[in-house]
Amino acid sequence: DTGVSQNPRHKITKRGQNVTFRCDPISEHNRLYWYRQTLGQGPEFLTYFQNEAQLEKSRLLSDRFSAERPKGSFSTLEIQRTEQGDSAMYLCASSLVWDVRNGYGYTFGSGTRLTVV
Amino acid sequence: GDSVTQMEGPVTLSEEAFLTINCTYTATGYPSLFWYVQYPGEGLQLLLKATKADDKGSNKGFEATYRKETTSFHLEKGSVQVSDSAVYFCALSITGNTPLVFGKGTRLSVIA
Repeated sequence: DTGVSQNPRHKITKRGQNVTFRCDPISEHNRLYWYRQTLGQGPEFLTYFQNEAQLEKSRLLSDRFSAERPKGSFSTLEIQRTEQGDSAMYLCASSLVWDVRNGYGYTFGSGTRLTVV
Repeated sequence: GDSVTQMEGPVTLSEEAFLTINCTYTATGYPSLFWYVQYPGEGLQLLLKATKADDKGSNKGFEATYRKETTSFHLEKGSVQVSDSAVYFCALSITGNTPLVFGKGTRLSVIA
């Protein structure tokens, strides 16, 4: 198992363009989380899935953001009409429901760094 | 809401010095507590955890004890190494269905 994989590692885009990131979780993990991390801050929760169902969305997830997890496997996070304030590291994590309910943490990917110019 | 407060960084120590990074939390229930570490250019890695009061989590020479009476989970290491240089995040989760809530992180630099 190669862990949680995120692509691309880096993305530079012009303001107003749309971008899409992909996360491939650990294969048997049924929970998948998206977080955003800005410079000097801790990760902030955006949304999470259990299998293909999106169970919770943060108010940070504006209408320009959408996430999907078709078939409960990989997930995509799309940002439409990007703004400079969207520049951040976008982190994906996965876990088993059982692990989470028993106090175990998540496995994080290395993140996608987005720069909006 | 639930939150985590960490000591401000950066923290700079000489090799073999004693490390303490303070973490306190505010929670509506009884959280599980975590320390994550982020090395340069990498994702977050779980360092240690504790799920109930008085539990001690430990890993790689790091320790933290869940103190319910002081709502704290301070990270300690007796003798730091240059390879411990990283950003350390304290985090909590109230139940299995609430996402992890992170502190702002504390950057540690260890010099030889």
